[in-house]
Amino acid sequence: EAGVTQFPSHSVIEKGQTVTLRCDPISGHDNLYWYRRVMGKEIKFLLHFVKESKQDESGMPNNRFLAERTGGTYSTLKVQPAELEDSGVYFCASSQGGADTEAFFGQGTRLTVV
Amino acid sequence: AQSVSQHNHHVILSEAASLELGCNYSYGGTVNLFWYVQYPGQHLQLLLKYFSGDPLVKGIKGFEAEFIKSKFSFNLRKPSVQWSDTAEYFCAVNAMGSNTGKLIFGQGTTLQVKP
Repeated sequence: EAGVTQFPSHSVIEKGQTVTLRCDPISGHDNLYWYRRVMGKEIKFLLHFVKESKQDESGMPNNRFLAERTGGTYSTLKVQPAELEDSGVYFCASSQGGADTEAFFGQGTRLTVV
Repeated sequence: AQSVSQHNHHVILSEAASLELGCNYSYGGTVNLFWYVQYPGQHLQLLLKYFSGDPLVKGIKGFEAEFIKSKFSFNLRKPSVQWSDTAEYFCAVNAMGSNTGKLIFGQGTTLQVKP
């Protein structure tokens, strides 16, 4: 069974540009999460989808970040326009259920904004 | 607000030494507790979890953790580390029974095991 996959693995963009990160969850997992780790800090929750609906987007930093999950399958996270402080590793995770089930993580996308 | 604190940011041990990584959390309700590990170049993977029952939980690769409710702690232990345990370790919690499984992570502890 394929795990959670994220594309790209690395991205280097200039300040002001747009970047789109993609996450393919494990097939059948209704729950999809995005997290971010800024260098030297803890992994922080960004948002949670249940199927195509946003269940909790309390962790989204600002309106430069837009997450979608059309059709309840893969998800994209777009940053537009990117700022220097957006640099970090973006993780995606998926799970079958809510709080009482295990979440499986992707390898992450390392985003560097220069 | 919920928070998780890991006491050690960087730990260096020799092979066969015993390991204990501290984790304390702050949350008023009942929580699920997790330890994740990230080996170099790999994805985060679950080491062990506590939802309910026996507070001493055993995970993969010889790791175990003990939930002490009165201390809000969930420390990770291994009696004898190996070089292959070199990795970053993350403690995490979520609110038990909630409709969102969002995890609150600690800052992570980097473990370096010398051969």
